[in-house]
Amino acid sequence: AQSVAQPEDQVNVAEGNPLTVKCTYSVSGNPYLFWYVQYPNRGLQFLLKYITGDNLVKGSYGFEAEFNKSQTSFHLKKPSALVSDSALYFCAVRDFQAGTALIFGKGTTLSVSS
Amino acid sequence: EAQVTQNPRYLITVTGKKLTVTCSQNMNHEYMSWYRQDPGLGLRQIYYSMNVEVTDKGDVPEGYKVSRKEKRNFPLILESPSPNQTSLYFCASSVQASSYNEQFFGPGTRLTVL
Repeated sequence: AQSVAQPEDQVNVAEGNPLTVKCTYSVSGNPYLFWYVQYPNRGLQFLLKYITGDNLVKGSYGFEAEFNKSQTSFHLKKPSALVSDSALYFCAVRDFQAGTALIFGKGTTLSVSS
Repeated sequence: EAQVTQNPRYLITVTGKKLTVTCSQNMNHEYMSWYRQDPGLGLRQIYYSMNVEVTDKGDVPEGYKVSRKEKRNFPLILESPSPNQTSLYFCASSVQASSYNEQFFGPGTRLTVL
């Protein structure tokens, strides 16, 4: 069965420091991986995705994510955090062979302090 | 503006009173889906639709119905709501059901069932 794990409920980082939000996945076939962000009282916004090719994927608002097949991970990163990056982040996976369902992790709250 | 809209945004109702949450997208997307978001559980898929007149169950379909009579609309129906359906609901759409397409989310509907 497909699954996604976000091991940290909350990540705290100071503004200007690099940030990492962790995600690991389990699928039976080739994974398609996504990161979404949810700001308070808003819907989810797409940040980036990994389909195939380069393991380092660049997305919106300066975020990037690194796909690591051997570690089954897809960590979200940003070189320099902004206070406005504070939000709830979701990792999600789709297994090409398992259908259309997008499986979400439980979410990680990112808090960036000034 | 390309968007997914949901109505109502907030709803308080009582057990057993039928309700419908509407969802509409203006992007001519084939695929639409409903999710519910609960603390600590992430987002879970309720129902999805590959195209007009084609719907199928997601992970948590019990107590819900959907229909897809038009491409742009995908209403979620609760025939007899119960308190355990108190949740935050999101509608989403994507170009097609292909696993690599990102989904666009509506702003959410916060439902409370007393």
